[in-house]
Amino acid sequence: DAGVIQSPRHEVTEMGQEVTLRCKPISGHDYLFWYRQTMMRGLELLIYFNNNVPIDDSGMPEDRFSAKMPNASFSTLKIQPSEPRDSAVYFCASSTGQGALGAFFGQGTRLTVV
Amino acid sequence: SQKIEQNSEALNIQEGKTATLTCNYTNYSPAYLQWYRQDPGRGPVFLLLIRENEKEKRKERLKVTFDTTLKQSLFHITASQPADSATYLCALDLTGGGNKLTFGTGTQLKVEL
Repeated sequence: DAGVIQSPRHEVTEMGQEVTLRCKPISGHDYLFWYRQTMMRGLELLIYFNNNVPIDDSGMPEDRFSAKMPNASFSTLKIQPSEPRDSAVYFCASSTGQGALGAFFGQGTRLTVV
Repeated sequence: SQKIEQNSEALNIQEGKTATLTCNYTNYSPAYLQWYRQDPGRGPVFLLLIRENEKEKRKERLKVTFDTTLKQSLFHITASQPADSATYLCALDLTGGGNKLTFGTGTQLKVEL
């Protein structure tokens, strides 16, 4: 398996524009997570899905953020409208749900909103 | 308030020595505690997990301890090598299913020749 695949790797957009980040989890993993990493706040869990259903979105900062998982092999995180404070590295991760095996992270998408 | 604290300053050690990283937490009762390694420009990579009823866990040159009374985990790398240089993150798993991980801010380790 190629691991968790995220696209794009880098995104630069203007304030107010819509941004869509994409993720393909590892096949067979039932859980998918979206994290955001910044210098100030570290790695924060935004939302996670189990079997394509959102379970906990308490980390989503505000209504401008939304996430979907239409099937077991694809998820999106959308920001509309984007703001400069959304600039961060966004990671997608997947796991089997068995804590002993940990979570597998993608390479991340570095988002810059200017 | 809930907090996870890791050494904010970088840790520099000589090759061959043992590196010890600390993870302290307050107002949490984690079922599991996990350690991850993160290299620049890459996502975190899972290293080890230790359960609340385990005192110590080993994997090759890595050793993790977990003291739920002190609310502290120590992460040791023995016979350290320059390739061990990275940022190490601890993560608390409150549910035991590995689903809702709360991460510390990480400690940067640099192993020098």
